[in-house]
Amino acid sequence: KAGVTQTPRYLIKTRGQQVTLSCSPISGHRSVSWYQQTPGQGLQFLFEYFSETQRNKGNFPGRFSGRQFSNSRSEMNVSTLELGDSALYLCASSLTQGVTEAFFGQGTRLTVV
Amino acid sequence: DQQVKQNSPSLSVQEGRISILNCDYTNSMFDYFLWYKKYPAEGPTFLISISSIKDKNEDGRFTVFLNKSAKHLSLHIVPSQPGDSAVYFCAASAGRTGGFKTIFGAGTRLFVKA
Repeated sequence: KAGVTQTPRYLIKTRGQQVTLSCSPISGHRSVSWYQQTPGQGLQFLFEYFSETQRNKGNFPGRFSGRQFSNSRSEMNVSTLELGDSALYLCASSLTQGVTEAFFGQGTRLTVV
Repeated sequence: DQQVKQNSPSLSVQEGRISILNCDYTNSMFDYFLWYKKYPAEGPTFLISISSIKDKNEDGRFTVFLNKSAKHLSLHIVPSQPGDSAVYFCAASAGRTGGFKTIFGAGTRLFVKA
């Protein structure tokens, strides 16, 4: 069974630009969560989508948004990029809400210059 | 607001000895706790979990202990092996009343020396 796929793996953007990251969950999984990992901050929760609806949201500014499609694939968008947005963005999929064992993708390394 | 804290950024242990990684939480609504392991250039992978109705869960070399009164959990690795060198994340999850949110700690980097 294929794992969680995130694209692209690496990305370099300029301040002020916007970026879209993609996540394809494990087949059959309907819940997708997004996390930002920076050194010393661990995994900061961004948001969770289940059945095309945002169910949970972390403490990030409105520049961070996402969506989920009917096939459970999810995208995350960051507008007006700032240098501090440079991080590893991880997507995790699980069967449904409340199933706490999540499967992570390899992440997208975003560098803002 | 750090609801899940891993106060040790790193830990160094000799091969064959015990590794103990600690985690503290503040929210009483958390009812399920997990440990994930992360190697460089890979996503975290699930290691072991424990429900709040238990105080211990064991899986091979890995044991997680939960002390609800102290809001503290720990991961024991015995014996430690060089391949265990990785970053370990503690995570806590709230059930339906908590919106199913899962919060991760900052991680502890474990070095196992051969």
